[in-house]
Amino acid sequence: DAGITQSPRHKVTETGTPVTLRCHQTENHRYMYWYRQDPGHGLRLIHYSYGVKDTDKGEVSDGYSVSRSKTEDFLLTLESATSSQTSVYFCAISWGTSGGQDEQYFGPGTRLTVT
Amino acid sequence: KNQVEQSPQSLIILEGKNCTLQCNYTVSPFSNLRWYKQDTGRGPVSLTIMTFSENTKSNGRYTATLDADTKQSSLHITASQLSDSASYICVVSVIGSQGNLIFGKGTKLSVKP
Repeated sequence: DAGITQSPRHKVTETGTPVTLRCHQTENHRYMYWYRQDPGHGLRLIHYSYGVKDTDKGEVSDGYSVSRSKTEDFLLTLESATSSQTSVYFCAISWGTSGGQDEQYFGPGTRLTVT
Repeated sequence: KNQVEQSPQSLIILEGKNCTLQCNYTVSPFSNLRWYKQDTGRGPVSLTIMTFSENTKSNGRYTATLDADTKQSSLHITASQLSDSASYICVVSVIGSQGNLIFGKGTKLSVKP
């Protein structure tokens, strides 16, 4: 998984509680991404980062926030989890040498269940 | 609207047989097309990445083709193995999208002994 770890790997939480997922990389890649994967959908981009403290929204950003205080860590926060946020969340990284068009490497995923 | 469509949704083949997975896209402006393999419970892993000018690219028993005129791609798997059982995802990158990729829903391949 290209030096990418995600934590936790599994989490069950209740509706309305805050949840933070962590992505950690040891590859010094500039770009980091958060995706969600749901049955019947392709992976969808939530947020991405193109450097420390530089982030932007993706296709499905509502209800999510992110932070990147250092190169190796990218945090995804659900401020108040809802059942529609039950999903598998993947972190990805890329060098960013082609303005974000280059190869992306994915982490192992976090399975989140909101009850 | 930018879209990537894959067919079939699922496929069952016998070990040792060949198979071909299809991908059609309506993405503009096109940057590159990627095929990923995703094992159950794991993250996607890249198989190939092709730009506009590349027609064919191989990675071991996997061969991807790209026809940019018809906006079609295929992934051919030769002499399938049990370990090829996975979902195969076609992904198209848009120029100037700052990392935004358009993902297909995937084809789930099962290789039976």
